[in-house]
Amino acid sequence: GESVGLHLPTLSVQEGDNSIINCAYSNSASDYFIWYKQESGKGPQFIIDIRSNMDKRQGQRVTVLLNKTVKHLSLQIAATQPGDSAVYFCAENNPSNDYKLSFGAGTTVTVRA
Amino acid sequence: DAMVIQNPRYQVTQFGKPVTLSCSQTLNHNVMYWYQQKSSQAPKLLFHYYDKDFNNEADTPDNFQSRRPNTSFCFLDIRSPGLGDAAMYLCATSSSFTDTQYFGPGTRLTVL
Repeated sequence: GESVGLHLPTLSVQEGDNSIINCAYSNSASDYFIWYKQESGKGPQFIIDIRSNMDKRQGQRVTVLLNKTVKHLSLQIAATQPGDSAVYFCAENNPSNDYKLSFGAGTTVTVRA
Repeated sequence: DAMVIQNPRYQVTQFGKPVTLSCSQTLNHNVMYWYQQKSSQAPKLLFHYYDKDFNNEADTPDNFQSRRPNTSFCFLDIRSPGLGDAAMYLCATSSSFTDTQYFGPGTRLTVL
């Protein structure tokens, strides 16, 4: 099975609210995590990443949190906008699998106007 | 500004007719990857190159081949496309295995 997974396949958010997308991983040796955004008909777009020596990293309107104790990763989007509607994938760089990316199943975020 | 370019964006082929998808990059990255993505699923790695070193995933069908003539270009050849090969094909690059992978826009393949 997949080593990285998202808790919810869909998330509906009111425009202007904050979004939280969750992801669990199973390989405690993983040391690098990435969030991608994929809009319909397009390739995955890098959003933000975090390495295992950190527990929080912030970008523009996005924050990634890493909890290594419970092997949990989350993406927070502040003031969600219609352009944030997309599928969000977490990905784990797996050293026990030759550092190949393991993707979660994806969460579809829909922003309500 | 495009860093990973894929051509064509849409490809229609007939059952059994060979098709080649193209990827190029301006990042001078060492690693190039090909993924297959079917509707509502995560990308699935087919193979990758580190420079000229080729690595095929164990479950990648023999029907899929790849070429990397130089650092910038990588091709995906599907020798005899079946209906089940209809998918989005994504190319990605990274500087090394432990660095971020950047994806191209993808090629949507339709098999008639």
